[in-house]
Amino acid sequence: QVTLKESGPGILQPSQTLSLTCSFSGFSLSTYGMCVGWIRQSSGKGLEWLANIWWNDDKYYNPSLKNRLTISKDTSNNQAFLKITNMDTADTATYYCARIYGDYYVMDAWGQGASVTVSS
Amino acid sequence: DIVLTQSPALAVSLGQRATISCKTNQNVDYYGNSYMHWYQQKPGQQPKLLIYLASNLASGIPARFSGRGSGTDFTLTIDPVEADDTATYYCQQSRNLYTFGAGTKLELK
Repeated sequence: QVTLKESGPGILQPSQTLSLTCSFSGFSLSTYGMCVGWIRQSSGKGLEWLANIWWNDDKYYNPSLKNRLTISKDTSNNQAFLKITNMDTADTATYYCARIYGDYYVMDAWGQGASVTVSS
Repeated sequence: DIVLTQSPALAVSLGQRATISCKTNQNVDYYGNSYMHWYQQKPGQQPKLLIYLASNLASGIPARFSGRGSGTDFTLTIDPVEADDTATYYCQQSRNLYTFGAGTKLELK
């Protein structure tokens, strides 16, 4: 059974850097074709893909946010990470991580989400 | 960027058919596959995969859900609609990075 769980600071101030952790089980990011992605959703709004990292350490970023994002992984501990610099109130959202099944490039399992509020 | 367009809302009666459309501004087909997927999201929950590659039912999803389409035009059908199906439905393309439609909120009449 594939499970994912996000963790983060909950609240941070404008201009700070957000650090998120995705802890997962049921698959390994060292396995060929595996991938983990990050997606966010502002309150009452739609879904926005942010970044994803593949088993071979290939990384892809949303072009509109690329200069603020860094994705990484710790294969031995089954974790993936996302950092977003220079946070703004507009970045207040629920942040999800998801497994991306490489054969179909589909997000087939999602975490429950981590709520992040940016406020001074 | 590939832009996905969905109608914002749809109201149907219990037991009837619901058809949700998704149109893209670019072709999402590649080597025989349509890289279009559908997700269901209920309030306070994470999205759940329903359909992948336009027409394939995800594991554990009831056969009341089906998807079809290719190129730039796709539909998700729920037949018959049950009360538990009230949710927002998102289409997503993975032909070129990943983008989502704005979602269609399914309500009961």
